[in-house]
Amino acid sequence: IQMTQSPSSLSASVGDRVTITCRTSQNIINYLSWYQQKPGQAPRLLIYGASILQSGVPSRFSGRGSGTDFSLSISSLQPEDLATYYCQQSYFNPRTFGQGTRVEF
Amino acid sequence: EVQLVESGGGLVRPGGSLRLSCAGSRFNFSTYNMNWVRQAPGKGLEWISYISNTGSTIYYADSVKGRITISRDNAKNSLYLQMHSLRDEDTAVYYCAREGSRRYFYTMDVWGQGTTVTVSS
Repeated sequence: IQMTQSPSSLSASVGDRVTITCRTSQNIINYLSWYQQKPGQAPRLLIYGASILQSGVPSRFSGRGSGTDFSLSISSLQPEDLATYYCQQSYFNPRTFGQGTRVEF
Repeated sequence: EVQLVESGGGLVRPGGSLRLSCAGSRFNFSTYNMNWVRQAPGKGLEWISYISNTGSTIYYADSVKGRITISRDNAKNSLYLQMHSLRDEDTAVYYCAREGSRRYFYTMDVWGQGTTVTVSS
């Protein structure tokens, strides 16, 4: 299954609303997760089931979508959100990740 | 705190072998499916292998099939990745990741800190 994540990078300012999209080549219903990875760190789960916020994740993060089209939004970008974000499908084996979106200031 | 800790990485020559380990703690390891995910320098995340909680179901990515073996020892709360015939392109940080149940849409909810494998002559 192919994952197409866009954009590959974006530049934004503190307080901006940011949206990242992820498209899958097949219907994955809502078996879609989003991860945040900061430089030198392991990935961190943000959202699963396309829209369910993982415990402890700030509410400015949200996810939506179903089928083949998904998005991750950050309502008000904070300095600590500087990171690369990945989508991942868990409906089919093998599991697959998007190419990543680097968020810069 | 639920934790995964990888070990076993290092420098290995092309064609060599290496065994990675991942120790789980503070959760019921035997009830979780597990994955290995790697990340080459400056690149994205690449899933490479999955093992079910009992070890009865195993999957490999095409890029490593035939060269790696995933296994687990639930009595030791440990996951392993045996790698053979290593190539330059296997140089990466290797992460183990816990997979949640269907209720949690099989998400990878807990990750280790990673262990670095460098393949170089």
